Amino acid sequence: AAGVIQSPRHLIKEKRETATLKCYPIPRHDTVYWYQQGPGQDPQFLISFYEKMQSDKGSIPDRFSAQQFSDYHSELNMSSLELGDSALYFCASSLWSGRFGTEAFFGQGTRLTVV
Amino acid sequence: QKEVEQNSGPLSVPEGAIASLNCTYSDRGSQSFFWYRQYSGKSPELIMSIYSNGDKEDGRFTAQLNKASQYVSLLIRDSQPSDSATYLCAAVDSGNTPLVFGKGTRLSVIA
Repeated sequence: AAGVIQSPRHLIKEKRETATLKCYPIPRHDTVYWYQQGPGQDPQFLISFYEKMQSDKGSIPDRFSAQQFSDYHSELNMSSLELGDSALYFCASSLWSGRFGTEAFFGQGTRLTVV
Repeated sequence: QKEVEQNSGPLSVPEGAIASLNCTYSDRGSQSFFWYRQYSGKSPELIMSIYSNGDKEDGRFTAQLNKASQYVSLLIRDSQPSDSATYLCAAVDSGNTPLVFGKGTRLSVIA
């Protein structure tokens, strides 16, 4: 079965550079979530999109922005990178059932290292 | 603020034993609960979802939910060394709102 695809898998950037992470959700899934996970930490919610519209916003820094495109893929844009942005970035997707909270499936993640 | 609490562990159990992982949540509006397994450096993998009070069994895994006590648990029977991982409990209040994760419990199954 198709899974959530993230690219790139690894990324090394210097401070103050920009980075763009991409996420391709499971086909027919209508919701995309972005999470950041630091070493030894639980995943922290950044932002989500439902049907290409921003639906929820978490602890996403102002330096970051994201969008979901017409083909449902999503991109997380990160500018003015700081050392503290080094983390695993996960994208997850789900299909809204309309009632109970839906199961979300995670991509393999992008490991961002800022040097 | 919605919170999900887990004992960080590590929880050590011998191979073949039952591992019991616990989770409490603060938001009474939470309706759906999920257990994810995460190996170091890998992505969270959904292993169980539970929506109503009681037990739900899937193979060696049993999830238990008690909404009155705001308590969720995961039992792993016949634990294997390959079960050694961090187990994340997550709660959602409704629809496609984002998962709220606990900090995870690290499980170590000793051969």
